Amino acid sequence: LAKTTQPISMDSYEGQEVNITCSHNNIATNDYITWYQQFPSQGPRFIIQGYKTKVTNEVASLFIPADRKSSTLSLPRVSLSDTAVYYCLVDKNQGGKLIFGQGTELSVKP
Amino acid sequence: SAVISQKPSRDICQRGTSLTIQCQVDSQVTMMFWYRQQPGQSLTLIATANQGSEATYESGFVIDKFPISRPNLTFSTLTVSNMSPEDSSIYLCSVYGGRETYDTEAFFGQGTRLTVV
Repeated sequence: LAKTTQPISMDSYEGQEVNITCSHNNIATNDYITWYQQFPSQGPRFIIQGYKTKVTNEVASLFIPADRKSSTLSLPRVSLSDTAVYYCLVDKNQGGKLIFGQGTELSVKP
Repeated sequence: SAVISQKPSRDICQRGTSLTIQCQVDSQVTMMFWYRQQPGQSLTLIATANQGSEATYESGFVIDKFPISRPNLTFSTLTVSNMSPEDSSIYLCSVYGGRETYDTEAFFGQGTRLTVV
């Protein structure tokens, strides 16, 4: 499974757009990119998944360049409740085991 | 989607004892996954539990320390045996719930926060 690298932490203020970039240089042709969010004392929660270009849902957008060696999770207009750890994962999207990297701890301040 | 119920939500245990964690899913799933999250760390997969066969353990985890049962397609248990303070972690159960043919999403329980004293 491809290894991912993300910033350990990020700070932001309410109302700002937050972009978290993940590097996955060894991504395979059949790998998908998935982001999870984890609040304290809770299990991770799926945010978004993509294969290439751009994916958008009600929570976030995921930007994937043509070479797929990186991806950027974009959170529009963050609020205090978006303070959490965000994990970028790369996997075959076949319902198998997940390998979590260190994640990015996002702190949103008023 | 899948709803996962984990029990207990937390426990404080004496070293040398064992704790069994239960994971109940509201739908039938082929595989169930057990993760460990040590304080301030990311999640690490312990094992994959398949119904009708022995669990598959990841490197660094052994059946004697973390025996797993999978009696049916909606239930699994993880036992943390002969506990030491180093076993103090959050233990999480996870399953997949397919939404679309090209899109799968893992669901996690709330976790069991274990403290060994």
